[in-house]
Amino acid sequence: RKEVEQDPGPFNVPEGATVAFNCTYSNSASQSFFWYRQDCRKEPKLLMSVYSSGNEDGRFTAQLNRASQYISLLIRDSKLSDSATYLCVVNSHNTNAGKSTFGDGTTLTVKP
Amino acid sequence: GAGVSQSPSNKVTEKGKDVELRCDPISGHTALYWYRQSLGQGLEFLIYFQGNSAPDKSGLPSDRFSAERTGGSVSTLTIQRTQQEDSAVYLCAGRGGSAAPNTGELFFGEGSRLTVL
Repeated sequence: RKEVEQDPGPFNVPEGATVAFNCTYSNSASQSFFWYRQDCRKEPKLLMSVYSSGNEDGRFTAQLNRASQYISLLIRDSKLSDSATYLCVVNSHNTNAGKSTFGDGTTLTVKP
Repeated sequence: GAGVSQSPSNKVTEKGKDVELRCDPISGHTALYWYRQSLGQGLEFLIYFQGNSAPDKSGLPSDRFSAERTGGSVSTLTIQRTQQEDSAVYLCAGRGGSAAPNTGELFFGEGSRLTVL
């Protein structure tokens, strides 16, 4: 079993749709969690951190369920520019240290 | 420089040759990571350096792979006797320290694309 698992998709949705991605992790000692975005043939970039209380950044909402060991990302009112691969990342520490393990990513295509 | 710099950006080599990939992290980053990404796949963790601590080498796929980080800055990933399955994009990332305090964000270079013929 992989340490971090994501539904690979692809998710194909029309503009304006709401789409949700889930991610599960196996190490219950994991401390910090993130969503990264990777465009085709580009390096990953941080989309948002994920906090236990849940957090929102514009159209994006991230949530963490420690008991069930899963993380979610909700995108509302999808835009064409949201098309990318979304990577779930789990870190062994809660600071700027620790091993960061990436999921294989979920591919989203938003169509007109 | 302003960002993480990796070189070469592209490397084509013959099976059996050794290659060195270089990463210049953002000044002040205390942690440095190497990942490998094959076409259409996710990021595979290779190795992680944190300050002066012993590196976490748990992701290196074989003893043909090694990495060092000199002076807490530049890092070199070496692959000896390359095989075709080593073909991938090798990504370096840094974080922490004075460059990006307490955010946990990883800053990636653009990667080195390795093709082994």
